[in-house]
Amino acid sequence: GESVGLHLPTLSVQEGDNSIINCAYSNSASDYFIWYKQESGKGPQFIIDIRSNMDKRQGQRVTVLLNKTVKHLSLQIAATQPGDSAVYFCAVRGAGSYQLTFGKGTKLSVIP
Amino acid sequence: GAVVSQHPSRVICKSGTSVKIECRSLDFQATTMFWYRQFPKKSLMLMATSNEGSKATYEQGVEKDKFLINHASLTLSTLTVTSAHPEDSSFYICSARDFRSGSYNEQFFGPGTRLTVL
Repeated sequence: GESVGLHLPTLSVQEGDNSIINCAYSNSASDYFIWYKQESGKGPQFIIDIRSNMDKRQGQRVTVLLNKTVKHLSLQIAATQPGDSAVYFCAVRGAGSYQLTFGKGTKLSVIP
Repeated sequence: GAVVSQHPSRVICKSGTSVKIECRSLDFQATTMFWYRQFPKKSLMLMATSNEGSKATYEQGVEKDKFLINHASLTLSTLTVTSAHPEDSSFYICSARDFRSGSYNEQFFGPGTRLTVL
């Protein structure tokens, strides 16, 4: 099965700085990866995704990097804002499956 | 588009009672819905996969007689926590799969239901 971990449970950054949140996965057959943002008491909110045939994808202020060699995924948030404070989860989907396996989550705190 | 709702958003019940949580896809049909459980400061754990018109598939360690799932229509799945106990207190989140989404991101999440069992 798939196991998904995160390198840091908490991350504090100054407003305006860049944030990097990391995730490691175990199944080399995983083909789709998603980052979610979850605010307290709410469901996960889609941020950005990447397929296994890519190694980088950019959105508005967010970039996802995928390193399949070491089975590592990262989320970069540029110019972090107080509204970015939340828990961030990576989720991984195995090839041929539509089930998602979630990582443990990193709580991002933005210091004004 | 692709909105998923849950009802109720929070519920408090006495130990021994049963609680039903609804998950609805509002603007799409979902042949598959997923139920997750999330403990405080923990990740989402998949409980079961709900398929319209058939029995749900439960993950290992999840009691199917405890957590009854019904997916009677393409827009509604329900999770009933039977004979609830304080240890069932948790945040329950559903997601619905829009198989016609045309993109890899085909799973859309509801806002969650906070269950507190006294």
